[in-house]
Amino acid sequence: GNSVTQMEGPVTLSEEAFLTINCTYTATGYPSLFWYVQYPGEGLQLLLKATKADDKGSNKGFEATYRKETTSFHLEKGSVQVSDSAVYFCALSIRTGANNLFFGTGTRLTVIP
Amino acid sequence: DSGVTQTPKHLITATGQRVTLRCSPRSGDLSVYWYQQSLDQGLQFLIQYYNGEERAKGNILERFSAQQFPDLHSELNLSSLELGDSALYFCASSVGFSGANVLTFGAGSRLTVL
Repeated sequence: GNSVTQMEGPVTLSEEAFLTINCTYTATGYPSLFWYVQYPGEGLQLLLKATKADDKGSNKGFEATYRKETTSFHLEKGSVQVSDSAVYFCALSIRTGANNLFFGTGTRLTVIP
Repeated sequence: DSGVTQTPKHLITATGQRVTLRCSPRSGDLSVYWYQQSLDQGLQFLIQYYNGEERAKGNILERFSAQQFPDLHSELNLSSLELGDSALYFCASSVGFSGANVLTFGAGSRLTVL
């Protein structure tokens, strides 16, 4: 089936630290991969995406590379800020299928000054 | 503002009752999705509509139903409510219906069943 496994949280980092949130997936078809972010009290926002192998998605200093050989899409940021505190969700959809996203469980990130 | 509008933002009701959640998709989007976010189940896909037709169904209970109207807004009806239905319900929209389309989410409707 289709599923996403992401790193358990919560994660607490100091400002300017390096961030990695691991995400691996299982897919029956050809997936597109996404990272969504949920700030406190808000809905989910698309952070970045990649639609084919070796694509790198990037936005707001965050990056993730679609690795087909390791079925992974790890999220990284070189220097986190307090404003990055949020819950991060890895997700996939099957491009030729119905467009329902399969989400990971979410990883809560707290950045302290 | 994502362009996807959900009402109400918060709703408190009692067990056994029925509620309706409403969603207006982003302008130009024909597809609407409903998701449930709860502490124990995470984010679960419920149902998808495209241009008024049901397109895909996920983990939606029989007590729940949805529809998409000709003006493309959608409603999610939850009946015979139970304590476990307390959750954040998200609506999302996209232009098309296939997995190549990016979803835009609303801010959610928080349902509390007492």
